[in-house]
Amino acid sequence: GQQVMQIPQYQHVQEGEDFTTYCNSSTTLSNIQWYKQRPGGHPVFLIQLVKSGEVKKQKRLTFQFGEAKKNSSLHITATQTTDVGTYFCAGRTGAGSYQLTFGKGTKLSVIP
Amino acid sequence: DGGITQSPKYLFRKEGQNVTLSCEQNLNHDAMYWYRQDPGQGLRLIYYSQIVNDFQKGDIAEGYSVSREKKESFPLTVTSAQKNPTAFYLCASSRVAGNTDTQYFGPGTRLTVL
Repeated sequence: GQQVMQIPQYQHVQEGEDFTTYCNSSTTLSNIQWYKQRPGGHPVFLIQLVKSGEVKKQKRLTFQFGEAKKNSSLHITATQTTDVGTYFCAGRTGAGSYQLTFGKGTKLSVIP
Repeated sequence: DGGITQSPKYLFRKEGQNVTLSCEQNLNHDAMYWYRQDPGQGLRLIYYSQIVNDFQKGDIAEGYSVSREKKESFPLTVTSAQKNPTAFYLCASSRVAGNTDTQYFGPGTRLTVL
């Protein structure tokens, strides 16, 4: 079945440093979504990427979808303590697919 | 106030007992989902429902059962057949079970089986 690998599993950064998490799928994705889960909380939708090579920005967050639609990345510039949490990617395959396959997430810690 | 509610937040049960987790949404969403989250793991799909009175198994349905008698409600029963039931359970909903719809998650229920 479809697998979505996400690295790294953990990342500790000093406040102000940049952070990147990467997602790779074993199959071509129709779209990919990113979620953030704060400690003790539930996943909250951040963004969806649909087009090959798509790049979207949300303030300090930049999301990319690979040309082959098999990988994606989330980059945070100048991390802040409010960025702490676990970031998940979730991919869908096929035009009629509704099921999301989640990566295991990257847990980000920000040292003030 | 629109959203998804799950109750209770924490639940303790003895081994061998069935337990039902509640999930209610007032977002008028057609599709609802149940996920299981274990430490260091992503979310794994247990069951989903696209419409009332219909549901399908996800990747890890064994030992679980669901019902969808009302659009707003999608309760999950963790049966005694589930070998490793201690986990964080998340319910989600989306407008339709479509290809691009985003999922909205409830606050979750942390189940501990003693």
